[in-house]
Amino acid sequence: GAGVSQSPSNKVTEKGKDVELRCDPISGHTALYWYRQRLGQGLEFLIYFQGNSAPDKSGLPSDRFSAERTGESVSTLTIQRTQQEDSAVYLCASSLRWREAGVSDTQYFGPGTRLTVL
Amino acid sequence: DAKTTQPNSMESNEEEPVHLPCNHSTISGTDYIHWYRQLPSQGPEYVIHGLTSNVNNRMASLAIAEDRKSSTLILHRATLRDAAVYYCILRSAGNMLTFGGGTRLMVKP
Repeated sequence: GAGVSQSPSNKVTEKGKDVELRCDPISGHTALYWYRQRLGQGLEFLIYFQGNSAPDKSGLPSDRFSAERTGESVSTLTIQRTQQEDSAVYLCASSLRWREAGVSDTQYFGPGTRLTVL
Repeated sequence: DAKTTQPNSMESNEEEPVHLPCNHSTISGTDYIHWYRQLPSQGPEYVIHGLTSNVNNRMASLAIAEDRKSSTLILHRATLRDAAVYYCILRSAGNMLTFGGGTRLMVKP
């Protein structure tokens, strides 16, 4: 079946503009995660959705960042008034719920969206 | 999530085994040990995970110390396609993955 898909694959924007990044998780996966990876760095957690529970927003770096998820499907990460330090690859991952996955909660990652803020 | 410590980089020759170490001295009883790898210009991919016993799958083997304070990812025959950053992660149920710096594996032909 299809894996996690993300769009666009690349986005170049000007400082101060808003951007929306999209993630389509694997069908049936109730958990969805957003991460950010700056050049040459590891991944930073941003936000986590699990079913109908309130999302875990503890990783969002500022109030310019927000994310929504429609039911247990598509998610959109929005960055308002982009800054140059927002330039990074934004990665989305999905997984089954812990209990349904049994032993572990393997995350499946999309290819990422490379955001460049000029 | 408890912290892991890995070497920044390692080198291997093609078709030789590779042992990638990870220290996790503060691991708790409910933490699973997960390994992911990230090939150049791609998102991370799952490699293997375990709790207490050694584990084998088609990609690799995971050897876990008896006290669980360290583990080793074993690639039995490295290929050029195994060149990647390998992340060792401790995971409690339902939480996000906390990625450290990982080990950059370079494979020489």
